[in-house]
Amino acid sequence: EVQLVESGGGLAQPGGSLRLSCAASGFIFSNYEMIWVRQAPGKGLEWLSYISGNDNNVYYADSVRGRFSISRDNPQNSLYLQMNSLRAEDTAVYYCARVVAQLPRFWGQGTLVTVSS
Amino acid sequence: DIQMTQSPSTLSASVGDRVTITCRASQSISSWLAWYQQKPGKAPNLLIYKASTLETGVPSRFSGSGSGTEFTFTISSLQPDDFATYYCQQYNSLWTFGQGTKVEVK
Repeated sequence: EVQLVESGGGLAQPGGSLRLSCAASGFIFSNYEMIWVRQAPGKGLEWLSYISGNDNNVYYADSVRGRFSISRDNPQNSLYLQMNSLRAEDTAVYYCARVVAQLPRFWGQGTLVTVSS
Repeated sequence: DIQMTQSPSTLSASVGDRVTITCRASQSISSWLAWYQQKPGKAPNLLIYKASTLETGVPSRFSGSGSGTEFTFTISSLQPDDFATYYCQQYNSLWTFGQGTKVEVK
C-alpha cells in the first residue's frame, strides 16, 4: 500500500526554522519525483517545491525560494523540507505528494505548521 | 509564471443540479490541466487530468473540457458526496492551482 506520512510540523517563532519530513512506503521511492504543497487556513493550495528522483533537479516557488530547501534520502525513503526564516504567512498545512506523469497523484495527510510568537 | 483564475469562488446547489466551474490560464497550457476535489481536513483527490481524462475510479458524472486558456469542469447531477471544494491545476510549467470553488448546499 502506498503511504506518505508527513511529520515535523508544529509551532515556530517568526524568523525560526523547522524541518518537515515525509516518510514514503509501498513503492520504489527513488523512481518518483516529489513535491511539497501547502494550504494556509481557509485558503487554497500552493505548490512550493519539486525534486527529481535522483535529486539532481529542484525547483521552488518564488514565495519560498532562498528560505526553503527540498531534499531527499532515497535509501531512507524520505523527503524533506527545510524551512528557514519563517514568517506568519508560512502558517499552513504542508503536504508532500508523489508525482506521476507530471501530476501529484498521491498525497500525504499533511502536517500543520504554525508560525507565531 | 502561469496564473490560474477559477470561478465562481462559491457555488450553491442542490442534489441533482448540474454544476459548472470555469478555470482560465494566463497563457496557453495546451491540455495540461487537472481538477481536484478536496474535503475538509483531507488531502486533494485527483478527478480529471489532461483537461478531460477521468482518473480511474472517478464517477462519470464528473467531466472536463477545454484547451489553451479556457477550461470547464462539470458535475452532471450533483450527489450528496460531491459537496466539497474543487481546484483546477495547470501542470504545463511547474504547478499552479486555481483559487478553488466551494460547492455548498443551497
